[in-house]
Amino acid sequence: AQSVAQPEDQVNVAEGNPLTVKCTYSVSGNPYLFWYVQYPNRGLQFLLKYITGDNLVKGSYGFEAEFNKSQTSFHLKKPSALVSDSALYFCAASMTTDSWGKFQFGAGTQVVVTP
Amino acid sequence: GAVVSQHPSWVICKSGTSVKIECRSLDFQATTMFWYRQFPKQSLMLMATSNEGSKATYEQGVEKDKFLINHASLTLSTLTVTSAHPEDSSFYICSARARGRSSYNEQFFGPGTRLTVL
Repeated sequence: AQSVAQPEDQVNVAEGNPLTVKCTYSVSGNPYLFWYVQYPNRGLQFLLKYITGDNLVKGSYGFEAEFNKSQTSFHLKKPSALVSDSALYFCAASMTTDSWGKFQFGAGTQVVVTP
Repeated sequence: GAVVSQHPSWVICKSGTSVKIECRSLDFQATTMFWYRQFPKQSLMLMATSNEGSKATYEQGVEKDKFLINHASLTLSTLTVTSAHPEDSSFYICSARARGRSSYNEQFFGPGTRLTVL
């Protein structure tokens, strides 16, 4: 069965410090991987995706993620966190062989950035 | 580009009534639309997948007769919660895959609809 794990329910970081949100996946083939951010009572905003090629993906708002096939991970990073980065972050995987393109979401990680 | 809207953004209804939520792709044609349900501070739970002109495919445990999905055109899908009860109160989010841009399985998400059933 396909699954996506976000091992941390919450990540706390001081403003200006590096931010990392972890994601690992378990799939039986090659996945497309995505990161989304959600603010309270809002839909999901796209941050970045990994399709193929360069393992380091750069996305919106200064975020980046590194695809690591051997560790089946796709951790989200930001060199210097802002208070406005405080939100709920979701990692998602979709199988390249899935014609429907369904997403498997992780449980989400709440990021709290303190001033 | 690739904007998805939902209407209404929030709705309060009485128990036993039906509520319709619209999901529209504003600047692209959507081959497939998805409906999710989300409880507070939890992940998104896929309810159903729909393609234009065909019946929706529901996930296990989702009542088809309670959550009616219609995908009437390439830009509109509707979710009707029939005979709503307080336990149906939730945040409902739709997403869409764009025709011609589906090779990466990318989904574009709507802003969500908050349903409260009294």
